[in-house]
Amino acid sequence: QKEVEQDPGPLSVPEGAIVSLNCTYSNSAFQYFMWYRQYSRKGPELLMYTYSSGNKEDGRFTAQVDKSSKYISLFIRDSQPSDSATYLCAILRDNYGQNFVFGPGTRLSVLP
Amino acid sequence: DADVTQTPRNRITKTGKRIMLECSQTKGHDRMYWYRQDPGLGLRLIYYSFDVKDINKGEISDGYSVSRQAQAKFSLSLESAIPNQTALYFCATSDSGRGPRGSAQYFGPGTRLTVL
Repeated sequence: QKEVEQDPGPLSVPEGAIVSLNCTYSNSAFQYFMWYRQYSRKGPELLMYTYSSGNKEDGRFTAQVDKSSKYISLFIRDSQPSDSATYLCAILRDNYGQNFVFGPGTRLSVLP
Repeated sequence: DADVTQTPRNRITKTGKRIMLECSQTKGHDRMYWYRQDPGLGLRLIYYSFDVKDINKGEISDGYSVSRQAQAKFSLSLESAIPNQTALYFCATSDSGRGPRGSAQYFGPGTRLTVL
């Protein structure tokens, strides 16, 4: 079983839709979870950071962690064409800060 | 991206050539990383460095070497490039001073390397 799994998409939605992006992971000891957004021909940029379980909201973005199911989600409300990008989940394997595992990314297109 | 810069942005080379990719950062972070990104495989860690005197192999270090010339500079070398090293390469930085909660990494714009 892979450490992190993520549907690569592509996912196409109309402008204004609610988008749900998801990752599953295998190790119940993981505690720190992140979402990155990567535009075409750019480096990934940190979008959201969560610790342990629960929800974290930042504007139109909500990150959710369900440790019992080993499932993390990123929700985008009122999606915009500018949200079109690849979204990567990243999980910290340990508490020392250097050992990340990244999902392959989900490519999202928001159509005007 | 302006805080972490990479040169060159694009490079085409031939099998067997030695290639160096360079990374500089102005974020003041102590930790620096090199990743490669391949379609469907996500980002994979090549090398990481916690400070100038501390360099560590990542999960796919074979065929690569690194040099940490200063806190702000970290270069990646391919001693003898081969076609399966064709990929997008990213440098990243993070700040150890904030512990695990500050471990978020900040990426450069990437170098697209093609080995013919």
